[in-house]
Amino acid sequence: GAGVSQSPRYKVAKRGQDVALRCDPISGHVSLFWYQQALGQGPEFLTYFQNEAQLDKSGLPSDRFFAERPEGSVSTLKIQRTQQEDSAVYLCASSLSAGVLETQYFGPGTRLLVL
Amino acid sequence: DAKTTQPPSMDCAEGRAANLPCNHSTISGNEYVYWYRQIHSQGPQYIIHGLKNNETNEMASLIITEDRKSSTLILPHATLRDTAVYYCIVRARTGSGYALNFGKGTSLLVTP
Repeated sequence: GAGVSQSPRYKVAKRGQDVALRCDPISGHVSLFWYQQALGQGPEFLTYFQNEAQLDKSGLPSDRFFAERPEGSVSTLKIQRTQQEDSAVYLCASSLSAGVLETQYFGPGTRLLVL
Repeated sequence: DAKTTQPPSMDCAEGRAANLPCNHSTISGNEYVYWYRQIHSQGPQYIIHGLKNNETNEMASLIITEDRKSSTLILPHATLRDTAVYYCIVRARTGSGYALNFGKGTSLLVTP
């Protein structure tokens, strides 16, 4: 079956530009996560949705980062006024239910390069 | 969540068993041990998890010591496609939050 998909796979932005990254979770999955992965590091949590509700945004690094999931399926991570330190791979994951121990299924990521 | 310690890198010959250790000496009784891996340019992939007993699935086996302070992920017959970064993560049913805390993991290189 279809897994988690993300688009675009690669994005080059000039410093100061706004970008929007899309995540299509597995159909029917209640939970959706965004992670940021810097080069050579493990993924780091950004934010979590349960259906359309954003229950945890403690990992968002600044108020330039904004995520939404208005209908409880597709999610968009928006970064305003991009900076060079925002260059990273942005990973989306989904899980079937709201249980903390549910397996998270990851997409391939969007590689963002800010010049 | 309990902190985990893994070696930064390991090598394994193709066809041999790969044994990846993880230390979690501060683990508490309600915390599970999870393993994910990340192949280059892909998102992380769930492998296996356990609480107390050893576990086995089609991908790997998980051996947890009796005192639960350490565990070993075993890939019984490693192939070149098993080259990846392996993450050991400790999770509790309550109080963990929903985020996975990946750390730096172990980079496993399977050689021909």
